[in-house]
Amino acid sequence: SYVLTQPPSVSVAPGKTARITCGGNNVGSKSVHWYRQKPGQAPVLVIYYDSDRPSGIPERFSGSNSGNTATLTISRVEAGDEADYYCQVWDGGSDHPWVFGGGTKLTVL
Amino acid sequence: EVHLVESGGGLVQPGGSLRLSCEASGFSFSSHEMNWVRQAPGKGLEWVSYISSGGHTIYYADSVKGRFNISRDDAKHSLFLQMNSLRADDTAVYYCATLVAGRGIDFDSWGQGALVTVSS
Repeated sequence: SYVLTQPPSVSVAPGKTARITCGGNNVGSKSVHWYRQKPGQAPVLVIYYDSDRPSGIPERFSGSNSGNTATLTISRVEAGDEADYYCQVWDGGSDHPWVFGGGTKLTVL
Repeated sequence: EVHLVESGGGLVQPGGSLRLSCEASGFSFSSHEMNWVRQAPGKGLEWVSYISSGGHTIYYADSVKGRFNISRDDAKHSLFLQMNSLRADDTAVYYCATLVAGRGIDFDSWGQGALVTVSS
């Protein structure tokens, strides 16, 4: 089945830009979705279709996807952005279609 | 507002069975595709199972195939997961989640989860 690879952790100072990557074989040909999960809470969709934001998600959250890497970018990072972030794709040719990356812990220094 | 509430979690011995329920409200449950996604303690998200609106199409992750059974009761706005032959590595928080209507490839609403612990 398809595999998505994320760095276990990313650290960033407040006000700076955080970039979280999601690697996969030709992931640029798929749509990548991103979720934020705070401790003890359910995941929340923050980016869909590589770069679209659901209503209620700040413009500071953006995404891109090309080649073998998708990237979630969080600008002007705030303390409240500290969370685990997961990428996800739909692998339509598989009987295991919904695939998550291993997750990245974003730490705000 | 979409509301999903899981129940039925608990402690079960290896080899035992458990049935999870997810009661939905605030949206047209019968027309939505539904899923179970789990998260082992301190680990990442793992998709477990999918059921289409109407219940005619079902998928399972390889890790649970042959042991878990997903079903739905549209009249009761409820989703179920029958878990049999449970193993220690099935220990996780189990979330029910909806797929975004019209897209079917990403998840837009999640319950708060039900903890299943498999241990002797």
